[in-house]
Amino acid sequence: EAQVTQNPRYLITVTGKKLTVTCSQNMNHEYMSWYRQDPGLGLRQIYYSMNVEVTDKGDVPEGYKVSRKEKRNFPLILESPSPNQTSLYFCASSSPRTGRTDTQYFGPGTRLTVL
Amino acid sequence: SQQGEEDPQALSIQEGENATMNCSYKTSINNLQWYRQNSGRGLVHLILIRSNEREKHSGRLRVTLDTSKKSSSLLITASRAADTASYFCATAAIGNTGKLIFGQGTTLQVKP
Repeated sequence: EAQVTQNPRYLITVTGKKLTVTCSQNMNHEYMSWYRQDPGLGLRQIYYSMNVEVTDKGDVPEGYKVSRKEKRNFPLILESPSPNQTSLYFCASSSPRTGRTDTQYFGPGTRLTVL
Repeated sequence: SQQGEEDPQALSIQEGENATMNCSYKTSINNLQWYRQNSGRGLVHLILIRSNEREKHSGRLRVTLDTSKKSSSLLITASRAADTASYFCATAAIGNTGKLIFGQGTTLQVKP
């Protein structure tokens, strides 16, 4: 089944404790992206990647890191999480046949709470 | 920066009625997309309309795009209770091929 998977789905952590949220897609998509969703603010793009070893900042990249060593994986790293990073995070990927910012396929989301 | 602004923020209708949601944006776009999100879940792509298209249909969905007014509308005809969800527009700006900017969404409630 074609899908985007994220792990973990739920995470409660404490300020300053490094964490990684994994994202994997099995559709051979070149483009992958991370978003955070907060009440009243909609979805905001954190980072995106056009292809392996190519990443770019979205609108809210501060406090986050990403890497794209393989086409299928695009982990989101929080080196020193803070309470303002408490949010619902979504990973998405896009087909190379239809353009980089065409139809996005979303993962199920990761709900992160930073205490 | 917020590209897509949606209107209304919330909409409540009876089953069988039509629902219309609007999206306005600021810069020239490559395409505009509409997504649906059921409570707390991942977004599901509904329809994409390119900047050179004016109208597109998919089942009970009809999307229009007016690039001169920088606006789009999503019409859901003959709504069902299962259409209850949040709906988001997203724009891909020309020149920023990697960035996709979402609006804040319209929450639709369809009462049975």
